[in-house]
Amino acid sequence: ELKVEQNPLFLSMQEGKNYTIYCNYSTTSDRLYWYRQDPGKSLESLFVLLSNGAVKQEGRLMASLDTKARLSTLHITAAVHDLSATYFCAVETSGTYKYIFGTGTRLKVLA
Amino acid sequence: DVKVTQSSRYLVKRTGEKVFLECVQDMDHENMFWYRQDPGLGLRLIYFSYDVKMKEKGDIPEGYSVSREKKERFSLILESASTNQTSMYLCASSLLQYGYTFGSGTRLTVV
Repeated sequence: ELKVEQNPLFLSMQEGKNYTIYCNYSTTSDRLYWYRQDPGKSLESLFVLLSNGAVKQEGRLMASLDTKARLSTLHITAAVHDLSATYFCAVETSGTYKYIFGTGTRLKVLA
Repeated sequence: DVKVTQSSRYLVKRTGEKVFLECVQDMDHENMFWYRQDPGLGLRLIYFSYDVKMKEKGDIPEGYSVSREKKERFSLILESASTNQTSMYLCASSLLQYGYTFGSGTRLTVV
């Protein structure tokens, strides 16, 4: 059974600092996705990672995928308050288009 | 942009009522999904569909059914609503491996 774990679950950080969120998964998969959720809202797609070594960047966020280590990272550079949200990774169960979601990381950026 | 529309943002129903949650997507996606999101439990897959008139159970299908009579529409049905079905319900659609697009969500309260 595919399991997806994120850490940390909660992250409080100062503006301007860097930090990394980790997403580990338990079985082979080449496809991993990152989403953002604001309070009371739905999920918004951030990154689609479809192969080993994939790296995507958008603004202050950069995501990478290491399928051999079964690990993805979401790196935050010089955090700003607007990045405060909950971030989810999701892994596709092989060949099914079904995703198993991580527990989410609630990020709070303090001014 | 793909749009996934859920018919209601907030819904209050009584125990025992039959409840219909509607989801429509406008980009000809084959795959459609229903998740529920609960604090501490994350997102859990209820049902999904890869094609018209096709449905498959997810991880928590008990107490739910679905209907997909047209490609663009995927309905979730609570046959007899119970208080433990109070939750945020999220519909998503996808094309192949390119990631989910989520609807805005329906917050259902069963009293």
